[in-house]
Amino acid sequence: GENVEQHPSTLSVQEGDSAVIKCTYSDSASNYFPWYKQELGKGPQLIIDIRSNVGEKKDQRIAVTLNKTAKHFSLHITETQPEDSAVYFCAASNTGNQFYFGTGTSLTVIP
Amino acid sequence: DAGVIQSPRHEVTEMGQEVTLRCKPISGHNSLFWYRQTMMRGLELLIYFNNNVPIDDSGMPEDRFSAKMPNASFSTLKIQPSEPRDSAVYFCASSPGGDTQYFGPGTRLTVL
Repeated sequence: GENVEQHPSTLSVQEGDSAVIKCTYSDSASNYFPWYKQELGKGPQLIIDIRSNVGEKKDQRIAVTLNKTAKHFSLHITETQPEDSAVYFCAASNTGNQFYFGTGTSLTVIP
Repeated sequence: DAGVIQSPRHEVTEMGQEVTLRCKPISGHNSLFWYRQTMMRGLELLIYFNNNVPIDDSGMPEDRFSAKMPNASFSTLKIQPSEPRDSAVYFCASSPGGDTQYFGPGTRLTVL
């Protein structure tokens, strides 16, 4: 089955700096890669996703890049703000149903 | 629009008791997923339904766990009998078909 690895497990950045979280996957058939943000006491919320026919996608301060050859994808957050502090999860899917999640990155933005 | 609704939000019970968790998916979504989240194992898929039919329950830990979806707007996850190791946050998610899954707020279960 699919195996998704996520790094780093914790990340602290100064407000205004950029944050990058990286994930690798093992199944070359995976074709959908969502990113979720989970705040304390809440469920994961989809923040951005990318499909295998696209190399990069951007939504305001958030961007995701995908390298299918190397089987890795990354989340980039620019101009970080304290409200970006949360746990971020990547996931990979090749069926649209079975999501394989990374282990999460706890991001802290220091004011 | 209302998102995925789960109840209860918190449940504290004693070992051996039956626990029932409830989920109302987003209207019009035809896929429903139950996940369990723990510090040790992260997010684990327990079971998912397409059009109310269970498709894959290979993630259900053991026979003490069961899930039903009697109609398109309601699903339950039951644990009987509950054990302390079942303590976790249980999430329900729904999808309109395709890829994107939308998660509910979760039920925090504590089994004493």
